[in-house]
Amino acid sequence: QSVLTQPPSASGTPGQRVTISCSGSSSNIGSNTVNWYQQLPGTAPKLLIYTNNQRPSGVPDRFSGSKSGTSASLAISGLQSEDEADYYCAAWDDSLNGYVFGTGTKVTVL
Amino acid sequence: QVQLQQSGPGLVKPSQTLSLTCAISGDSVSSNIAGWNWIRQSPSRGLEWLGRTYYRSKWYSDYAVSVKSRISINPDTSRNQFSLQLNSVTPDDTAVYYCANIYPFDIWGQGTMVTVSS
Repeated sequence: QSVLTQPPSASGTPGQRVTISCSGSSSNIGSNTVNWYQQLPGTAPKLLIYTNNQRPSGVPDRFSGSKSGTSASLAISGLQSEDEADYYCAAWDDSLNGYVFGTGTKVTVL
Repeated sequence: QVQLQQSGPGLVKPSQTLSLTCAISGDSVSSNIAGWNWIRQSPSRGLEWLGRTYYRSKWYSDYAVSVKSRISINPDTSRNQFSLQLNSVTPDDTAVYYCANIYPFDIWGQGTMVTVSS
């Protein structure tokens, strides 16, 4: 039972910009940093964004993250076919004393 | 480069104990700046953090509230690995189990599909 809420799906045509939201509360996103993960079918999640807006080495700059209050967003600009995957947000929750994940968003490239 | 290799059975009977191991290469389970986590994923629960162990002059373990009464995560310094034990499993514990390194979890194991069924 995920604590962070994401839209179940998002889509766009190649080259478009897609944005995914992640809604939380004061005990998680409101007071801690947010990370984003990309999961391709049959594989483990891959870290895409950490500390709200930082990209690990090797992640294209088409991916960007932001945070405001108790919500965060992941933007994919210049959408490509290989971006078709599931995306999850995550943060530490001070009330639960544990890490919590988002419900996940499936991105489809039309 | 840190790599995590999981091992353990894919089928566990209800009420029994689920046991998985995560072998670490490229880092030390006893590192004072590392941390080692277990995460699972199922259609009903999504991604769920289960717990972690880490060494900061002594060993610590933290567990998710949802499994706190049934879980144990332990380091094995002689084999440079860490393990997950989940007791009294039910079909609701059926999931893909992953080990991962310290938050923000930039290194993951390959995943182990564990089915709880008689």
